[in-house]
Amino acid sequence: ETGVTQTPRHLVMGMTNKKSLKCEQHLGHNAMYWYKQSAKKPLELMFVYSLEERVENNSVPSRFSPECPNSSHLFLHLHTLQPEDSALYLCASSQDWAGTPSYEQYFGPGTRLTVT
Amino acid sequence: GQNIDQPTEMTATEGAIVQINCTYQTSGFNGLFWYQQHAGEAPTFLSYNVLDGLEEKGRFSSFLSRSKGYSYLLLKELQMKDSASYLCAVLDSNYQLIWGAGTKLIIKP
Repeated sequence: ETGVTQTPRHLVMGMTNKKSLKCEQHLGHNAMYWYKQSAKKPLELMFVYSLEERVENNSVPSRFSPECPNSSHLFLHLHTLQPEDSALYLCASSQDWAGTPSYEQYFGPGTRLTVT
Repeated sequence: GQNIDQPTEMTATEGAIVQINCTYQTSGFNGLFWYQQHAGEAPTFLSYNVLDGLEEKGRFSSFLSRSKGYSYLLLKELQMKDSASYLCAVLDSNYQLIWGAGTKLIIKP
């Protein structure tokens, strides 16, 4: 596999369920990101990890819990979600964290999440 | 607050030229990106501008005016496969990416 992969591609879950989204990057990058993309809205940055340490957490509700066990893998654990959390969740990676200029992000295909 | 404005939707004809505008108000500026996102797919990098002027890359060009807080993406010789959303994003003074909501471009035969 090359680039950034995400699983599952689609997920339907009830508000009481617990599920996890997985992201893997095969680019040797040091930084990984979780974004939420809702229709007709800007991408919302949720979490940033640099060298496996969380460096950014943009006031995301605690029902979203990230985990970065190593520089190639990133998880987003979900529990007791709300219907308004339904969106496309995108993972991205970059050579280094956003603290450096001229960086380009490589995105995964996303997980389409529906909360019922 | 920080803000990126771009048109919600545009329509153009195959073979024609289209210009997608992006205006921004951010706390500082360290560069502007354009990404392309086809429906149901990941955004992919198109261009990066940090100095004023026009950067050409094949059929796509990106222009920046820092004094006006303005950029545009110019697509020439439009093809049906160019139908996608085009996302503008600015790196602010803290090197945080501020994203626009994207412009959906529809290409008609």
